[in-house]
Amino acid sequence: AAGVIQSPRHLIKEKRETATLKCYPIPRHDTVYWYQQGPGQDPQFLISFYEKMQSDKGSIPDRFSAQQFSDYHSELNMSSLELGDSALYFCASSATEKYNEQFFGPGTRLTVL
Amino acid sequence: AQSVTQLDSHVSVSEGTPVLLRCNYSSSYSPSLFWYVQHPNKGLQLLLKYTSAATLVKGINGFEAEFKKSETSFHLTKPSAHMSDAAEYFCVVSESYGGSQGNLIFGKGTKLSVKP
Repeated sequence: AAGVIQSPRHLIKEKRETATLKCYPIPRHDTVYWYQQGPGQDPQFLISFYEKMQSDKGSIPDRFSAQQFSDYHSELNMSSLELGDSALYFCASSATEKYNEQFFGPGTRLTVL
Repeated sequence: AQSVTQLDSHVSVSEGTPVLLRCNYSSSYSPSLFWYVQHPNKGLQLLLKYTSAATLVKGINGFEAEFKKSETSFHLTKPSAHMSDAAEYFCVVSESYGGSQGNLIFGKGTKLSVKP
């Protein structure tokens, strides 16, 4: 079965650079969620989109923005990167008829030097 | 506000013995509760979920959890541990409100070690 696809899987950036993470949800899933998991930490919710509209917002820094496109894929844009942004970024998707069941992608590991 | 507390940061068992990972939740609304597993350098996999149906929930790989409203608990159990069960386990809550799919609130995680 198709799963959530995230790209790239690994990304190395320097401070103050920008990064774009991409997420391709499971086909027919209309909701996308982004989570950040720091080293040794639990995942923290950043932001979610339903039918291309932002549906909920968590602890996403102002330097980050995200959007969901017409094909339901989502991109997380990160600017002015800081050392503390080094983390594993997960995308999850869900479908309206499968209420509250989120399927996670493998994550993108971002390292900021 | 909703939250989950995982009572043990690290649990160590011997292969073939029972596993108990404890979780208590706090929620103002009718909660949906989940257990996710994360193997080293891997993504998050859903083990099981409770969404106000049967209080005893069976998941994958022989795991199950029981929702106890009176104790606000959702402990994860398995009768017999396998070496492959060694991983980090997260108890997760999501509030149900207005028919929307809420974001997930993760516990701090319990690292399960399995000794031969």
